[in-house]
Amino acid sequence: GAVVSQHPSRVICKSGTSVKIECRSLDFQATTMFWYRQFPKQSLMLMATSNEGSKATYEQGVEKDKFLINHASLTLSTLTVTSAHPEDSSFYICSATPGLAGGSYNEQFFGPGTRLTVL
Amino acid sequence: GQQLNQSPQSMFIQEGEDVSMNCTSSSIFNTWLWYKQDPGEGPVLLIALYKAGELTSNGRLTAQFGITRKDSFLNISASIPSDVGIYFCAGREGAQKLVFGQGTRLTINP
Repeated sequence: GAVVSQHPSRVICKSGTSVKIECRSLDFQATTMFWYRQFPKQSLMLMATSNEGSKATYEQGVEKDKFLINHASLTLSTLTVTSAHPEDSSFYICSATPGLAGGSYNEQFFGPGTRLTVL
Repeated sequence: GQQLNQSPQSMFIQEGEDVSMNCTSSSIFNTWLWYKQDPGEGPVLLIALYKAGELTSNGRLTAQFGITRKDSFLNISASIPSDVGIYFCAGREGAQKLVFGQGTRLTINP
């Protein structure tokens, strides 16, 4: 249980275009989903937290107009990188939490990540 | 925000050896977590710790939540090739948000 998928796994786009990444919880309903960015050989940096049906909460320094997050259902959140530039190239990872009370099942379960390369 | 100091940054060991890594923080966390990340994949939860002083095992892995709530360690006994990867500690501040350590990259020589 607690499987999270991401699509696509890898995307290459031209500078100035927009890219949408999907995050799905496959076998549970996720009250909260998180989006992280990871640069090579670095740790995960939280970009934003999204709760179903409400606006995402962005971390300091993350541009909400550039990284659009939509959490339309309890099993799907999307991250859209608008007007992507080479410096946006990174590994984007989502996570989801079932939101049940107690135990490790309430922790964040991570998707496999999406490698974005902006040319 | 809070930061975690994870050490060592990298380890090169022989197969069969035991491994130890730790994380420290200047602030208190109410939960400590240990994740493993393989190349090109997302992190996978290994152990979750919820109480100060708690010692928890998961197979060959053992982790402890420090009494001061500002540190945690992870031990791996009798390492095998599939233990290779990057290990991250994470502390939870508040209800949900996680703060990650810098990671420990484990390399095993057969």
